Amino acid sequence: AQTVTQSQPEMSVQEAETVTLSCTYDTSESNYYLFWYKQPPSRQMILVIRQEAYKQQNATENRFSVNFQKAAKSFSLKISDSQLGDTAMYFCAFGEGTYKYIFGTGTRLKVLA
Amino acid sequence: DSGVTQTPKHLITATGQRVTLRCSPRSGDLSVYWYQQSLDQGLQFLIQYYNGEERAKGNILERFSAQQFPDLHSELNLSSLELGDSALYFCASSHPPGGAGDYGYTFGSGTRLTVV
Repeated sequence: AQTVTQSQPEMSVQEAETVTLSCTYDTSESNYYLFWYKQPPSRQMILVIRQEAYKQQNATENRFSVNFQKAAKSFSLKISDSQLGDTAMYFCAFGEGTYKYIFGTGTRLKVLA
Repeated sequence: DSGVTQTPKHLITATGQRVTLRCSPRSGDLSVYWYQQSLDQGLQFLIQYYNGEERAKGNILERFSAQQFPDLHSELNLSSLELGDSALYFCASSHPPGGAGDYGYTFGSGTRLTVV
């Protein structure tokens, strides 16, 4: 069965600094998708970035980028120039042919002024 | 507005009662997923429907059931409620043909259920 592990329950970063959130997963599939979702205090789930496993190039969305290491089954999220609005829970998620996602337990990120 | 509508936003009910949570997917999305998020926990997959048919089932309790109607809206029914059922219940939808992977889920804003 697929599993997703986020080993950092909480992290903090100074405004304008860079922070990296870790995620590892386990699967026997070769084709799958990985996602990072943000959940601010409003509790809305917001898609931050997605990565297709068959693409070697790391996905980037503005200040957000990933480091996808397929062999190591690692999918970390880097947030550059952190802003106060980045304060949220961040969930890593894995999806494959069955379409349902498996979520990690989340990392609570606090951006400090 | 994500395009996925969940009602009600908040629900307070007593133990032993039955409630129905409603979800309208984003226009054009055929798949609906239900997830449960207990306090400060990750999201637990409950069930998926695709175009009216059950597609996948997670750790959904027998006291819970769901269905998707011809107009594609979905309802999650929770019965014989217990204190431990208090949680945020999310609905998400996705667009074919590749399934959720191609585009990712679009989540509704959730229904917060409090059982007292």
